[in-house]
Amino acid sequence: SQQGEEDPQALSIQEGENATMNCSYKTSINNLQWYRQNSGRGLVHLILIRSNEREKHSGRLRVTLDTSKKSSSLLITASRAADTTSYFCATALLSNDYKLSFGAGTTVTVRA
Amino acid sequence: DTGVSQNPRHKITKRGQNVTFRCDPISEHNRLYWYRQTLGQGPEFLTYFQNEAQLEKSRLLSDRFSAERPKGSFSTLEIQRTEQGDSAMYLCASSPRPNGLAGNTDTQYFGPGTRLTVL
Repeated sequence: SQQGEEDPQALSIQEGENATMNCSYKTSINNLQWYRQNSGRGLVHLILIRSNEREKHSGRLRVTLDTSKKSSSLLITASRAADTTSYFCATALLSNDYKLSFGAGTTVTVRA
Repeated sequence: DTGVSQNPRHKITKRGQNVTFRCDPISEHNRLYWYRQTLGQGPEFLTYFQNEAQLEKSRLLSDRFSAERPKGSFSTLEIQRTEQGDSAMYLCASSPRPNGLAGNTDTQYFGPGTRLTVL
């Protein structure tokens, strides 16, 4: 079973707008990671946030983590057409941090 | 950094045939993972190697599935007597040993995947 659940399942925004997607999970984690996946290709790692961190930034990406609510959010600022793809959150549990558990993903479409 | 490579990229086979996929991890990475992804879903963990030792197998990995990493470098995933339900993208990932010299050990670097279609 998949631990993470992304919300929304799909998101359509105008170029230049910000895109926010959320991830909820069920059990205590070691870390949470966000990936993107272009159609038919493998996953590209975006950012990792550890359980003792609350916020991380990487370029136009901002990730937050609220362990009390067991949730995370990924914000993409000033979106571009090239940001159109599917985004997945993945959790690594405290008990076996080598095994990532992915959600079903959020599909983002950035309109020109 | 040549990245994780997987071969073949696509495989079409008839039900009942055996198939084998290969994964070449990033050279300094000692950990290797296999995942399976079906349409509209996120990847699901199948198995994990540390060097040549297979340390965990998911319940998803039935007796028809076998994975090896004989010299602790490349890995193969074999599916025997394929079924239509085996149709999926098979993803391989690797991560470095925990000495801080080859990147974040918790980050898994994925290959492009092998798409299997069983007719």
